[in-house]
Amino acid sequence: QVQLQESGPGLVKPSQTLSLTCTVSGGSISSGDYYWSWTRQPPGKGLEWIGYIYYSGGTYYNPSLKSRVSISVGTSKNQFSVKLSSVTAADTAVYYCARTRIAAAGQTYYFDYWGRGTLVTISS
Amino acid sequence: QSVLTQPPSVSAAPGQKVTISCSGSSSNIGNNYVSWYQQLPGTAPRLLIYDNNERPSGIPDRFSGSRSGTSATLGITGLQTGDEADYYCGTWDNSLGTYVFGTGTKVTVL
Repeated sequence: QVQLQESGPGLVKPSQTLSLTCTVSGGSISSGDYYWSWTRQPPGKGLEWIGYIYYSGGTYYNPSLKSRVSISVGTSKNQFSVKLSSVTAADTAVYYCARTRIAAAGQTYYFDYWGRGTLVTISS
Repeated sequence: QSVLTQPPSVSAAPGQKVTISCSGSSSNIGNNYVSWYQQLPGTAPRLLIYDNNERPSGIPDRFSGSRSGTSATLGITGLQTGDEADYYCGTWDNSLGTYVFGTGTKVTVL
């Protein structure tokens, strides 16, 4: 059974960089069958996809966040990470990592395993 | 504001059926497969339906999905108190160049 676990600081100051890591167990990031995504959810609001990474390092980001976000992969540790720069209170959210299936030239796209999420609060 | 519109809430008595609509456009639902997620209070989303109407293993057949044109529908039959949750549709949007989630629907079991 694939499991994902987010980790990182729960409090970040405005204008600083938010950094989170997702550790995958029960499956290998390097298998090549899946992509690995980050999604966030502000308190009481809906879901927003942040971006994904492939085991080889290829990335794709939500255009609305592209200028501030970076996702990287550490295959030796079976982890992937997200960095979001110049954060503001609007970036306060629960951040989820998820295994992502993309196929059929992008027509098939879904998240089949999710981490429990970690709340990151942006405040001085 | 999301490009995928869902009703804010639906409700029904135990054992009844509810349907949740997800309205989009040709740049998203009209040309890409839809997935549905259940988010129980205080928990992470869980995949219920992928590729419009496929259920992952472990998801009961009380949950079903369909797509017609630029809209998709999630159906839940035999409603149970444990089904009280927020439900989100999602798909890729070719125009925006991003994955988009629906606005979310809260299901209440009366």
